[in-house]
Amino acid sequence: DTGVSQDPRHKITKRGQNVTFRCDPISEHNRLYWYRQTLGQGPEFLTYFQNEAQLEKSRLLSDRFSAERPKGSFSTLEIQRTEQGDSAMYLCASSFRNGTKETQYFGPGTRLLVL
Amino acid sequence: GIQVEQSPPDLILQEGANSTLRCNFSDSVNNLQWFHQNPWGQLINLFYIPSGTKQNGRLSATTVATERYSLLYISSSQTTDSGVYFCAVGDATNKLIFGTGTLLAVQP
Repeated sequence: DTGVSQDPRHKITKRGQNVTFRCDPISEHNRLYWYRQTLGQGPEFLTYFQNEAQLEKSRLLSDRFSAERPKGSFSTLEIQRTEQGDSAMYLCASSFRNGTKETQYFGPGTRLLVL
Repeated sequence: GIQVEQSPPDLILQEGANSTLRCNFSDSVNNLQWFHQNPWGQLINLFYIPSGTKQNGRLSATTVATERYSLLYISSSQTTDSGVYFCAVGDATNKLIFGTGTLLAVQP
C-alpha cells in the first residue's frame, strides 16, 4: 500500500492556460474523489468516480473543469482557461466501499497558483 | 445540505496539556472521519468513527450519532500535534462534507 499519489505537487500557470492534474489511488480502491481547498477553508467536494463511472459532480465544477478515470485506475482533472479564482489546493482521495463502511484516504494534493 | 460546525476555531496549548475538539453536524450521516492536516497540506486519517468510541495512543474520539456530535480528545499534547484538525461527515453518497477546522498550536 503506497498511498494515494498526485502529480504535480505544485503548478504555477498564467491566466487562460490549461492545466491537468493526475491522481493515482490506492490499488483496488473502487472509488476516487476530487476536492478543492482554498486558504482557511475545509476541502470542498468536486466530483467522484466509482470504477470508471463519474457518478456525481458538484456545482463548483464549472464547464471549464473535466475529470476522467478511463480504466477505473488513475484519474485526471483538467482545468481549461484557468482563472485566478482557480488558485487552490486540489486534493484526491480514494476508498473501497464495502456496504456502508468507507474510509477515504487523501493524497498530498496539487497546489495551483494562477497568475 | 448537511452543515458541519467545529469548535473552537483556534486553540493554543502548552506541551503536555489535554484538549477536546468538538464537531456538530446537522443531519444523520453515513460516515464521520477526523483528519489532521499537517503544515504541508497532507490530510492524515485519525479516525473513521460514525458512532461509538475509539482510541489510538494519545488520541481518542467519540461520536454520538443520535445527538449529532463527535469529540476528539488529545491528551499530553506535543508540538508535533500542531496543525489543523478537520471533522468530515459523509452524506447519502458518502462524499465528505468538511467543517472549517480547528487550528491547534502546541507551544513547548
